[in-house]
Amino acid sequence: EAGVAQSPRYKIIEKRQSVAFWCNPISGHATLYWYQQILGQGPKLLIQFQNNGVVDDSQLPKDRFSAERLKGVDSTLKIQPAKLEDSAVYLCASSFGTGGRYEQYFGPGTRLTVT
Amino acid sequence: ILNVEQSPQSLHVQEGDSTNFTCSFPSSNFYALHWYRWETAKSPEALFVMTLNGDEKKKGRISATLNTKEGYSYLYIKGSQPEDSATYLCAFSRDSNYQLIWGAGTKLIIKP
Repeated sequence: EAGVAQSPRYKIIEKRQSVAFWCNPISGHATLYWYQQILGQGPKLLIQFQNNGVVDDSQLPKDRFSAERLKGVDSTLKIQPAKLEDSAVYLCASSFGTGGRYEQYFGPGTRLTVT
Repeated sequence: ILNVEQSPQSLHVQEGDSTNFTCSFPSSNFYALHWYRWETAKSPEALFVMTLNGDEKKKGRISATLNTKEGYSYLYIKGSQPEDSATYLCAFSRDSNYQLIWGAGTKLIIKP
């Protein structure tokens, strides 16, 4: 079974530039998550999709971050414009169902550095 | 504000020794507790999902216990090996529709 794919693995941009991350979840997984993990902190949920609908985006900074999951499969997360504090690892995960008892499967993450 | 605390923040253990660390979470409205292992340059990987008070789960040399009434879970590693070096994350859910709240992790380094 193929795992969760993410690209790129690393990205360095200057502040005020834009960046986009891509995620392909495990086939058949209805739920997709984007997390932001800042060094020394736990992952913070940015947005959760159930199929192509948003379940939770309460912690997504909507003035600069956007995400979509077209056709309920692949997803992209965009930052425009980036700030220095956006430097973090961005993790994508998927699970078979939604709710706290489902194990989440993670991609390798994208390490973003904003200079 | 829901908080999940993990201790210690980091740990150096001699190869062959056993070790354990703690995840503390709010004891009210418990639904599930997850443990994940995140090795450097790899994807975080689920170890256990625990839902019942008193639960004990085991995978090879790694085991976990759960006390929902007092709000803690222990992760144990028996006979540590270099491949156990990783950050161990726990995450708590308070109900079926609530997102996971994550701890900052315990970074384990096994010294040969």
